[in-house]
Amino acid sequence: QKEVEQDPGPLSVPEGAIVSLNCTYSNSAFQYFMWYRQYSRKGPELLMYTYSSGNKEDGRFTAQVDKSSKYISLFIRDSQPSDSATYLCAMDRSGNTGKLIFGQGTTLQVKP
Amino acid sequence: ETGVTQTPRHLVMGMTNKKSLKCEQHLGHNAMYWYKQSAKKPLELMFVYSLEERVENNSVPSRFSPECPNSSHLFLHLHTLQPEDSALYLCASSQPGLGFNEQFFGPGTRLTVL
Repeated sequence: QKEVEQDPGPLSVPEGAIVSLNCTYSNSAFQYFMWYRQYSRKGPELLMYTYSSGNKEDGRFTAQVDKSSKYISLFIRDSQPSDSATYLCAMDRSGNTGKLIFGQGTTLQVKP
Repeated sequence: ETGVTQTPRHLVMGMTNKKSLKCEQHLGHNAMYWYKQSAKKPLELMFVYSLEERVENNSVPSRFSPECPNSSHLFLHLHTLQPEDSALYLCASSQPGLGFNEQFFGPGTRLTVL
């Protein structure tokens, strides 16, 4: 069983839709949960991170963590064509081990 | 230059060649990382350097040899690679400390082994 599972998609939605991206994990020791965005021919960039369970909002993006279910989500409201990218979830036991465990990534296309 | 840069951006090599990938970070960080990103697979952490010392080696074959001459530069020396080593090789850097430690990634080197 992979430590982190993420549906690779691709996921295609119309502009303005609400997008839900998800990951499940098996290691209950994970405490920090991250979402990275990777555009084509670029390296990943950090979108948001969350410590332990709960929600975090940043503009059109909301990250949710449910540690009891070992399930994390990223919601994108009012999706835009510029949101078209691959979204990677990543996890760490503490915030600074440097040993991130990534999901496979979900490719999102937002159509105008 | 800003952020994390990687050269070359694309590399094609034969199985008997020797080549090197270069990474440079302009962020004043003291930890650097090599990752491998293959199609349909999660990013795999290969090596971690902290204060120029290797602190992690995730069972990477010896045909990959990292070098960190100072905290700003990281190299990945390649020799006698296999076609399955074709992938995007990403470098990242961070500043470890208390609390959350964000990793900043370079654009990657797309490697093709013939």
